[in-house]
Amino acid sequence: NAGVTQTPKFQVLKTGQSMTLQCAQDMNHEYMSWYRQDPGMGLRLIHYSVGAGITDQGEVPNGYNVSRSTTEDFPLRLLSAAPSQTSVYFCASSYSAFSLVATEAFFGQGTRLTVV
Amino acid sequence: SQQGEEDPQALSIQEGENATMNCSYKTSINNLQWYRQNSGRGLVHLILIRSNEREKHSGRLRVTLDTSKKSSSLLITASRAADTASYFCATDAKIIQGAQKLVFGQGTRLTINP
Repeated sequence: NAGVTQTPKFQVLKTGQSMTLQCAQDMNHEYMSWYRQDPGMGLRLIHYSVGAGITDQGEVPNGYNVSRSTTEDFPLRLLSAAPSQTSVYFCASSYSAFSLVATEAFFGQGTRLTVV
Repeated sequence: SQQGEEDPQALSIQEGENATMNCSYKTSINNLQWYRQNSGRGLVHLILIRSNEREKHSGRLRVTLDTSKKSSSLLITASRAADTASYFCATDAKIIQGAQKLVFGQGTRLTINP
């Protein structure tokens, strides 16, 4: 199994450009999420999805959109890139968000985004 | 706001020594997890401890949980150079309709010196 696959690994954008970060998992996980990681800030939740067709905002959703049309894919869209969105982005998935018997989260390798 | 906070922010020890990292959190939890992140890579799950457990072992890892103090510790015994990484605790936080999300702390940067 590939696990969680993120593309691209690196990206440079100009201010105002838009782009989509791709995330795909092949483990049939219900729960998927996007985090950004900045120095000294740890991981902050951007958006999450508890199943196909269901998404919601995390801690820092402004400037980002998501959709979940299939169980496997959870793309993150930057609508109009800003320098403040320079960060490393991680996609994660886990079996279910609804089970009180929690399971581990599987992470992609990350996308390093620079906005100039 | 972040649920978990790790302490110390950075730790440097000699190979073979034990490393202890602490995590404090604010609200009640069902589970607490620890993850490792090697430089430039994604996070990898290490261990999960449930709220009704006090201690858990996995190889050279020992995790304790004190729900009365809202704190957890991760002990790595007989450290190796390959243990050099950042370590994060993650707690669950309730969201809509009974679902839970993971909330991460800022991490502890561990350096093992040969």
